[in-house]
Amino acid sequence: GENVEQHPSTLSVQEGDSAVIKCTYSDSASNYFPWYKQELGKRPQLIIDIRSNVGEKKDQRIAVTLNKTAKHFSLHITETQPEDSAVYFCAASRGAQKLVFGQGTRLTINP
Amino acid sequence: DGGITQSPKYLFRKEGQNVTLSCEQNLNHDAMYWYRQDPGQGLRLIYYSQIVNDFQKGDIAEGYSVSREKKESFPLTVTSAQKNPTAFYLCASNLQGAVPNEQFFGPGTRLTVL
Repeated sequence: GENVEQHPSTLSVQEGDSAVIKCTYSDSASNYFPWYKQELGKRPQLIIDIRSNVGEKKDQRIAVTLNKTAKHFSLHITETQPEDSAVYFCAASRGAQKLVFGQGTRLTINP
Repeated sequence: DGGITQSPKYLFRKEGQNVTLSCEQNLNHDAMYWYRQDPGQGLRLIYYSQIVNDFQKGDIAEGYSVSREKKESFPLTVTSAQKNPTAFYLCASNLQGAVPNEQFFGPGTRLTVL
């Protein structure tokens, strides 16, 4: 089955700098890759996703890139702000199969 | 994601007791999921159901049970066989076969064993 590895487990950046979180997946047939943000004590919420027929997707300050050959995808947050502090999860799925989540990255934005 | 509700928000259990966590959705989603989250940890899949009257074990099903008698409801019972049940429990759902396969989460139930 699918296995998703996420790095780093914790990340601390200065406000205004960029943050990058990386995930690798094992199933070459996976075709959907969402990213979720979870604030303390809250539910995970989808912030951006990408399908396998696209190499990059942007939404304001966040972007996701996908390298199908290497089987990895990354979340990029530019001009970080204090409200970006949260735990971020990547995930992968194949067709209608269930999502497989990475272990999460705790991002801290230092003022 | 406002269409998924979980109750109660906080739940306290004495050792040896079974407790049931509620999850309801009005999104007409086919598939529903239960995850467990421990402090500083990721999401671990307990059970999932892709259709009414059918469900499958996830990665950590021991000590838990579920039912799926209605499309809208997927209750999780934490039995006395679960030795360390204190955790944050999240329910989720999605539309089976949808592309993209976006999953929506409920607000969670925090279970504490006294």
